[in-house]
Amino acid sequence: AAGVIQSPRHLIKEKRETATLKCYPIPRHDTVYWYQQGPGQDPQFLISFYEKMQSDKGSIPDRFSAQQFSDYHSELNMSSLELGDSALYFCASSLGRAYSNQPQHFGDGTRLSIL
Amino acid sequence: AQSVAQPEDQVNVAEGNPLTVKCTYSVSGNPYLFWYVQYPNRGLQFLLKYITGDNLVKGSYGFEAEFNKSQTSFHLKKPSALVSDSALYFCAVRKSGGSYIPTFGRGTSLIVHP
Repeated sequence: AAGVIQSPRHLIKEKRETATLKCYPIPRHDTVYWYQQGPGQDPQFLISFYEKMQSDKGSIPDRFSAQQFSDYHSELNMSSLELGDSALYFCASSLGRAYSNQPQHFGDGTRLSIL
Repeated sequence: AQSVAQPEDQVNVAEGNPLTVKCTYSVSGNPYLFWYVQYPNRGLQFLLKYITGDNLVKGSYGFEAEFNKSQTSFHLKKPSALVSDSALYFCAVRKSGGSYIPTFGRGTSLIVHP
């Protein structure tokens, strides 16, 4: 079965650079979530989109922005990168509000390293 | 507000023995409860969920969890642990009819010894 696809799997950037992470949800899933997971930490919710509109906002820094496109894929744009941004970034998808008891399906993440 | 507590950072068990990974939650109203497993450098994989109905929920890879409303718990169990079960386990809760964003626990590292 198709899963959530994230690209790239690994990304190395320097401080103050920008990065774009991409997420392709499971077909027919209408909700996308972005999470940040630091070493030994639980996933921290950043932002979500339902039907291409921002749905919920978590602890996403102002330096970050995201959007969901007409084909339901999503991109997380990160600017002025800081050392503390080094983490695993996960995207998850689910069937949205009408099916709120459905689990999230996670991609394998993008490991972002800031030098 | 909703919250999840996983009181053990690490659980050690011998292969073949039963395992329990603990989870308690706090939510106003009825909860939806989930367990996920995470292997190194991989995303979280859904194991099982409790929505309503039977308190004992069976999931993937022989795992099960028991919903206890009076104790606000949703402990993950398996009758016979395998070395390949060694991973990080996350409990999550979302409120029925409430926020669509689940709250995760801090995770419990399960180590199964041969």
